[in-house]
Amino acid sequence: DVKVTQSSRYLVKRTGEKVFLECVQDMDHENMFWYRQDPGLGLRLIYFSYDVKMKEKGDIPEGYSVSREKKERFSLILESASTNQTSMYLCASSSHYEQYFGPGTRLTVT
Amino acid sequence: DAKTTQPPSMDCAEGRAANLPCNHSTISGNEYVYWYRQIHSQGPQYIIHGLKNNETNEMASLIITEDRKSSTLILPHATLRDTAVYYCIVRVDSGGGADGLTFGKGTHLIIQP
Repeated sequence: DVKVTQSSRYLVKRTGEKVFLECVQDMDHENMFWYRQDPGLGLRLIYFSYDVKMKEKGDIPEGYSVSREKKERFSLILESASTNQTSMYLCASSSHYEQYFGPGTRLTVT
Repeated sequence: DAKTTQPPSMDCAEGRAANLPCNHSTISGNEYVYWYRQIHSQGPQYIIHGLKNNETNEMASLIITEDRKSSTLILPHATLRDTAVYYCIVRVDSGGGADGLTFGKGTHLIIQP
């Protein structure tokens, strides 16, 4: 059974903290994605990666960075968390047409 | 990617077929129609996709009109576990799967017991 896991379901951080969200997939997929989901705005693509050490900006990359040192792991980094980054963060992976999503991390920045 | 229009919500009785419509009148010839759903507190889940022919899998059927300007997702025997937000997405299939998805607001399908 295919699996995308995210390091935490719920996370609370303070403004200005550096935050790491981890995502691991066990399907040997080349492509990995980070989205955020907010009420009324749907899912929005933050960054994606199509290979190890490769990354591309999505629609809303400001305030975020990513790291992909190994094929199975894709990390989202908030260098200095702000309250407007309070959101649900979803990771996904794909090799062809179907994207597999993790369960999400609900991040609250206070 | 072309824009899609879906009703914000729909009800369906348990055991009946749920028919979810989607309009995509500006779809291009190389764009596919994808359907995903998101059950509360979970990540989105792929259901089905198609280009112009009708498609069926173990979860659902996808009916695309001949002019490709609209489509219908059919859940043949809806259960309470099918209550979710259903997203219709139109996108170019690059073949490598490296393109992000653009989710609209979707249709909140509520299955009534």
